[in-house]
Amino acid sequence: GENVEQHPSTLSVQEGDSAVIKCTYSDSASNYFPWYKQELGKRPQLIIDIRSNVGEKKDQRIAVTLNKTAKHFSLHITETQPEDSAVYFCAASPVSGGYNKLIFGAGTRLAVHP
Amino acid sequence: DGGITQSPKYLFRKEGQNVTLSCEQNLNHDAMYWYRQDPGQGLRLIYYSQIVNDFQKGDIAEGYSVSREKKESFPLTVTSAQKNPTAFYLCASSKVRGETQYFGPGTRLLVL
Repeated sequence: GENVEQHPSTLSVQEGDSAVIKCTYSDSASNYFPWYKQELGKRPQLIIDIRSNVGEKKDQRIAVTLNKTAKHFSLHITETQPEDSAVYFCAASPVSGGYNKLIFGAGTRLAVHP
Repeated sequence: DGGITQSPKYLFRKEGQNVTLSCEQNLNHDAMYWYRQDPGQGLRLIYYSQIVNDFQKGDIAEGYSVSREKKESFPLTVTSAQKNPTAFYLCASSKVRGETQYFGPGTRLLVL
């Protein structure tokens, strides 16, 4: 069935370093790939998304790349800051009967140390 | 996401009791979703609805029920058949075929 794998499960970096989180998906028909940031006890918030007709998208310190052939996409955070510490979820949206289902990865806990 | 509200913030359930979680949105979104999140895990889809009076089971629908009588509202009932209901429940909404889902603040359900 549809599946999204996310790595690593935890990531610890020093402030100012870069962080990279990778996801692979199983359904080749997936066409939308959002990334959410969730702080402790809070709701997931969309930070960036990419659609299958582009290979890369950037928004200030955050970028996402998509490789449709390999069925994987990655989140890149540059110049990390302590406030970037949170759990990050990737998701893929397979086309299923017209409904916009999102299949989520298990999450990556990012810790940025001052 | 500020246009989606969930209540209550915390809910306690006794054994054998049905409880209902509220989700309301004023974003004029047609699609609404319910997810369950267990500690240290991702989000799993319980039910989703694309239009009023229509809804579909997600991956873990057993022990849950929903209704969609109004576009703005998508309540979730956790029935006594759900034997392990302790979790963080998140409601989301999106435009029809808009893909981007926006989440409510969540309800934490605990069993007494």
